[in-house]
Amino acid sequence: DAGITQSPRHKVTETGTPVTLRCHQTENHRYMYWYRQDPGHGLRLIHYSYGVKDTDKGEVSDGYSVSRSKTEDFLLTLESATSSQTSVYFCAISESQLAASYNEQFFGPGTRLTVL
Amino acid sequence: QKEVEQDPGPLSVPEGAIVSLNCTYSNSAFQYFMWYRQYSRKGPELLMYTYSSGNKEDGRFTAQVDKSSKYISLFIRDSQPSDSATYLCAMGRSNYQLIWGAGTKLIIKP
Repeated sequence: DAGITQSPRHKVTETGTPVTLRCHQTENHRYMYWYRQDPGHGLRLIHYSYGVKDTDKGEVSDGYSVSRSKTEDFLLTLESATSSQTSVYFCAISESQLAASYNEQFFGPGTRLTVL
Repeated sequence: QKEVEQDPGPLSVPEGAIVSLNCTYSNSAFQYFMWYRQYSRKGPELLMYTYSSGNKEDGRFTAQVDKSSKYISLFIRDSQPSDSATYLCAMGRSNYQLIWGAGTKLIIKP
């Protein structure tokens, strides 16, 4: 398995509180991604990073921010959590630019977030 | 309308059956087509990858891409209970993000 860990694995929080999810990789891959997975929607990209301090928005970025201060760590922050952000969050990594060439994404185990 | 459509299932078949999983898409610019398998409470893992049209075979798995119909398929021969999982299609093009299907839940009954 690719060396990707996510923390916490489960979290229950209340509406309006800030939440930070962490993704840590040991593969030294350049690209890192945050997805959310909801029934009927599949995986939707929130934000991604193409290098230290280099990030960009994905399809569903509203209400989320990210930071990458080291190659191995990619943080996802919900500044003020809402019930609509209850979801399973997956981090992924890849070596090459997304969809520019054969590009396998390796996924972490996921974080189950419940916002009450 | 979503760019990628995938029937969520569940699809339940007996062990040993041939399984056909499908996705349709609307963007003719897609060049890369992938199938990921996701076991319950795990992250997805890449199963098959195809560039442009054609077939690709890997053991019991065959991926087909029909760009003229905007239709991709994954066939599983001699299905096993261990194949029970959710199968996600994903597709993309150069310099753009992957677009994912919603996933089809497959159940193989012993």
